[in-house]
Amino acid sequence: QVQLVQSGAEVQKPGASVKVSCKASGYTFTDFYIHWVRQAPGQGLEWMGWIKPQNGGTNSARDFQGRVAMTRDTSINTVYMELTGLRSDDTAVYYCARGPLWPRFDYWGQGTVVTVSS
Amino acid sequence: QAVLTQPASVSGSPGQSITISCTGADNDIGRYNYVSWFQQHPGKAPKLIIFDVTDRPSGVSNRFSGSKSGNTASLTISGLQPEDEADYYCSSYTSSARGVFGGGTKLTVL
Repeated sequence: QVQLVQSGAEVQKPGASVKVSCKASGYTFTDFYIHWVRQAPGQGLEWMGWIKPQNGGTNSARDFQGRVAMTRDTSINTVYMELTGLRSDDTAVYYCARGPLWPRFDYWGQGTVVTVSS
Repeated sequence: QAVLTQPASVSGSPGQSITISCTGADNDIGRYNYVSWFQQHPGKAPKLIIFDVTDRPSGVSNRFSGSKSGNTASLTISGLQPEDEADYYCSSYTSSARGVFGGGTKLTVL
């Protein structure tokens, strides 16, 4: 069965970076994009960007350009999302989700809570 | 911030039908038939309930249906049930090869 398993909760200080992993199983890793979506406490969903595991190509939302980096390791079917220059308003649950190029997300990771606090 | 506009809340009684609108622009909903809808219960990951404007994933009730006219997509839930109470989000593909979500709509089943 398809599964996306994310790394555990993180607490970081303002200005630091966080790197969240998402390990895929149950399907051909290079057949689908992985998108990143976050949700701040009590707020809605926010699309952050995608990575194409087949070739490592990426695209990100304008609000995150210059601060987000998405990479993949095809040997272990894992993608990573690193967010730098953390601020308190980056406190959120971060999800990875599987889909095609467009946001048709049929499987989601369990979410990773990232807390930014001094 | 959300680029697609949804009503903040809607409500209905069990058995009734409700519709949630999602308004975008010429370069997202208006251009592509790549609108999805997600249902999210508190503390849970979102669940895909409609994709490509009108299609339902296997296992999703046929009480959920989607449509689109111009720059506005809609989700209709018929025969409301208590378990439908949740947050609903629309999403679309955009001309810059990005994704975008609506702000979300809280559905209350009275």
